[in-house]
Amino acid sequence: GAVVSQHPSRVICKSGTSVKIECRSLDFQATTMFWYRQFPKQSLMLMATSNEGSKATYEQGVEKDKFLINHASLTLSTLTVTSAHPEDSSFYICSASRTGNEKLFFGSGTQLSVL
Amino acid sequence: RKEVEQDPGPFNVPEGATVAFNCTYSNSASQSFFWYRQDCRKEPKLLMSVYSSGNEDGRFTAQLNRASQYISLLIRDSKLSDSATYLCVANAGGTSYGKLTFGQGTILTVHP
Repeated sequence: GAVVSQHPSRVICKSGTSVKIECRSLDFQATTMFWYRQFPKQSLMLMATSNEGSKATYEQGVEKDKFLINHASLTLSTLTVTSAHPEDSSFYICSASRTGNEKLFFGSGTQLSVL
Repeated sequence: RKEVEQDPGPFNVPEGATVAFNCTYSNSASQSFFWYRQDCRKEPKLLMSVYSSGNEDGRFTAQLNRASQYISLLIRDSKLSDSATYLCVANAGGTSYGKLTFGQGTILTVHP
């Protein structure tokens, strides 16, 4: 079946550094990828929709200059958390949609801890 | 008001019990609905889609009532391995296919 690979699975970094998270669709082309964030004991919250070859669409309240999204190819989207702060510590998950098909495939998530 | 609301639980049930989860959604434009399960610090996994006619997959039965914007999940003969967080999910509707709104999840613990 379709697989979405996300890495790293865990990152611990110092405050002020930038962290890049990659999301790859391994055996299908993903026109659209989604980035979610999940704080402890809360549900997944959509951060942004990443469209190949165009600018990402951010949800209300998500800073586009802080969470940089690049979807340069049909199989890769990256999320960069710039100048990370402790409040950015969270579980970040990507998902990808096979072109023309609504079914979503999720990456395994990245646990970000900012010290 | 949250777009998708669930009773967070937790539900603690013995093996073999039947347990039901409820969910309501506020976006009347939503057209697709799902139940996902999520284990601690793992990605959510699709459990089943939910159709207006109701659908069943083994021990799991899902129901959708569009008029009242209500979704349910019934788990029969609970297993220890059913312990997880169950997420009620609706799509955003319209042209936003694939854009999903998640409920906060209902925690289920099945004990021996």
